[in-house]
Amino acid sequence: DQQVKQNSPSLSVQEGRISILNCDYTNSMFDYFLWYKKYPAEGPTFLISISSIKDKNEDGRFTVFLNKSAKHLSLHIVPSQPGDSAVYFCAAKSRGSTLGRLYFGRGTQLTVWP
Amino acid sequence: DTGVSQNPRHKITKRGQNVTFRCDPISEHNRLYWYRQTLGQGPEFLTYFQNEAQLEKSRLLSDRFSAERPKGSFSTLEIQRTEQGDSAMYLCASSLRGILAGVTYQETQYFGPGTRLLVL
Repeated sequence: DQQVKQNSPSLSVQEGRISILNCDYTNSMFDYFLWYKKYPAEGPTFLISISSIKDKNEDGRFTVFLNKSAKHLSLHIVPSQPGDSAVYFCAAKSRGSTLGRLYFGRGTQLTVWP
Repeated sequence: DTGVSQNPRHKITKRGQNVTFRCDPISEHNRLYWYRQTLGQGPEFLTYFQNEAQLEKSRLLSDRFSAERPKGSFSTLEIQRTEQGDSAMYLCASSLRGILAGVTYQETQYFGPGTRLLVL
């Protein structure tokens, strides 16, 4: 049962344009969301996170938007750069859980071309 | 380098053999997690330690799998009698559970580079 879904397995964007990666979740107990970037043969690298008490969080070129009513979040990368080409994973943690396990989506392969 | 480290980075073994992986978390982190990632999937939770106590195990963790964190520092994950279905990337992550001003704050898990296991 996939509680975090990334329905687009791939996204191709031209350098300098905006990349928008989407994520949906089904568990209303999720209260903390994270985005990770993963290059081949490496572990996931933390990018940005957002708590359910917010609807937006920015860090440089990266912005995450959270729509709780739609159980949807998105990651915006502006401007996109070729070095951003990687697999992006959305992850979520459940409210009230002291255990901290993360639930991941299947990832979206972003390709930024010159 | 003060990040999470994992050894070995790659392991090829024959079906039926035992393998052991090691994870060294970020030094001040008290929580340690193991995940498994197969092709086309996101990481899936296996087990979790707070200090030396193993507090949660996924149903993915069959009785052939065992994990330890003996002194609350590094951790080992052992797979006995490996099967071809065990072939995957095994990821370790660590985080710091903390309380600030009486409130538990959200923690971020930082991942190591992973150990790629291939069972022939």
